[in-house]
Amino acid sequence: AQTVTQSQPEMSVQEAETVTLSCTYDTSESDYYLFWYKQPPSRQMILVIRQEAYKQQNATENRFSVNFQKAAKSFSLKISDSQLGDAAMYFCAYRSMKSQGGSEKLVFGKGTKLTVNP
Amino acid sequence: EPEVTQTPSHQVTQMGQEVILRCVPISNHLYFYWYRQILGQKVEFLVSFYNNEISEKSEIFDDQFSVERPDGSNFTLKIRSTKLEDSAMYFCASRDGPYNEQFFGPGTRLTVL
Repeated sequence: AQTVTQSQPEMSVQEAETVTLSCTYDTSESDYYLFWYKQPPSRQMILVIRQEAYKQQNATENRFSVNFQKAAKSFSLKISDSQLGDAAMYFCAYRSMKSQGGSEKLVFGKGTKLTVNP
Repeated sequence: EPEVTQTPSHQVTQMGQEVILRCVPISNHLYFYWYRQILGQKVEFLVSFYNNEISEKSEIFDDQFSVERPDGSNFTLKIRSTKLEDSAMYFCASRDGPYNEQFFGPGTRLTVL
């Protein structure tokens, strides 16, 4: 079974600075997806960024980028120019690319609480 | 922009009572999910549903739980006899294709007293 580990329960960053959130995972599969979800105090789950394992290029979405190291099974999220609105819980998640008859569930880490200081 | 909706936003019930949590997935989506998040903990998979049947369920999803898509638009999660430990946030999610992302609803906070 796949597992996702986020070793930083909490992180803080100054507004306009850069912060990196860590995620490692364990799988025997070669094809999969990795995601970062943001959960603000409203508790809505919002997709931040996604990475396909077969792609060597790291995904980027505006101020958000990832450092995907497949061999090391590492998937960190970098937030540049941090804004107050970035404050939230961030969850790393794994999903198999292998079709499982309509499942393809997400496996989440425990999350990292990000505080942005003005 | 289409979105997943869930009702109610907050449900309070007595231990032993039945509850039904409702979700309206995005209209052209075919794959449906329920996840649970106990306060302060990670989000856990409960069940996936495709082609009018359960495609996978976790060990949390025991005989007290059931899902249904009664009318082609709603997707419900029923807990027959609630326990204190069922208190959690319940998220519904849907997606349209096997390789596409899941879109989450805003969640239903269930409090069992």
